[in-house]
This record gives sequence, structure tokens and C-alpha cells, in this order.
Amino acid sequence: EDKVVQSPLSLVVHEGDTVTLNCSYEVTNFRSLLWYKQEKKAPTFLFMLTSSGIEKKSGRLSSILDKKELFSILNITATQTGDSAVYLCAGTGTASKLTFGTGTRLQVTL
Amino acid sequence: GAGVSQSPRYKVAKRGQDVALRCDPISGHVSLFWYQQALGQGPEFLTYFQNEAQLDKSGLPSDRFFAERPEGSVSTLKIQRTQQEDSAVYLCASRPGQYDYEQYFGPGTRLTVT
Repeated sequence: EDKVVQSPLSLVVHEGDTVTLNCSYEVTNFRSLLWYKQEKKAPTFLFMLTSSGIEKKSGRLSSILDKKELFSILNITATQTGDSAVYLCAGTGTASKLTFGTGTRLQVTL
Repeated sequence: GAGVSQSPRYKVAKRGQDVALRCDPISGHVSLFWYQQALGQGPEFLTYFQNEAQLDKSGLPSDRFFAERPEGSVSTLKIQRTQQEDSAVYLCASRPGQYDYEQYFGPGTRLTVT
């Protein structure tokens, strides 16, 4: 059975801090690892990672995949209160479905 | 363009009632997925359509759950004889093609069974 584990489960930081969110996965016939941000509505897409070692970057967010260690991290630098959300990691293989982790709840305080 | 839309956004049902949840995917998207998200958990896969064909229904928790997409666009998730453990947010997602990986999610329907 496919499995995705995220850590930490929750995190409280001060505005301006840098955070690292972790995701480990076991997905049959693995193809990609995806990160989503979920506030009180639809998960919104952040990154899709298919190749190992290639960093994807969007503004203050970046992510990288390690296919040997079955691991991905999501970094957020200079955090802002608008970054407060649940960050979901999901793996997908040839089965098409996404297998999600429980999520990391990030709270950024002033 | 318009994103994935779902209706109703909130549904309260008494135990034993049947409910129907609707998903309008992004226009032209071939693939459509349903997920169930319990409070404090990540979404869990229910079923997957490619056009009108239901290719994977391995995540449906019981035979009370039924999904259809008869014309390959709008989809309906039906839950018969609802039970309290069915209370959750039901998310729909679509993607452009058969082999893309990125899925675009709707806002979800929050179902509460009393």
C-alpha cells in the first residue's frame, strides 16, 4: 500500500523565519511528488518534482526531490503571515491517483 | 478561465438519507478524481474517471458510494444511506490529459451527517 509521511505535523514560527517541511514516500511505480498549499478551501498546486536533485523555485518557496532516499523537502524563506496554511505532499505513480500525507500545519506569527 | 467547481458547498444530512455531490471540472479536462478528506487528515483517493470511463474505484469505502460521469464532463458522487463516518470534505480534482500528473482541485463539499 502506498504511503506518504510528512513532518512535522505542525509548526509555529515568527514572521521572517525560514522553515523546512519534510515528506517521505513509498509509492508503487513512482512518477512524481507534488506539493500543495491548503487554506480553508481547495488545495492549490505549488510544485511537481519528477527528477532527483533538481530544485524547483517560486519566489520564497523552493523544493527538491531525492529519489534514492525517497524524500522531498519544501523550504519557505522569509515567512509571512500569508504563508499560514496546511502544506500537503502527495506521491503519484502509474495508478494516477495522488496519495497524500497528513499535512504540515504552518502558523506564522507576527 | 474557470476552475473546478463543486456544489453544494455544504450539506447536512440526517443519518440514512441519500446525498448527491456535483463536480464541474475545468472545461476540456479529460481526467477527474474524487477524494475524501476527514478533519485533520490529507485527502484520500476515492475514484478516477478518464472521460466517461471509471478506471479506478478502489478507494470507494463501501457499496453505498457510487460515482458517475456519463458524458465525460460533470461528475456526481452519490452516497446512499449516509452514516456519521461519512462526514468529511469531498474534493473533486481534474487534470488536462491522461498522463499529466498535476491535478487541480475544487473547493470541496463539506458533508455533515447528523
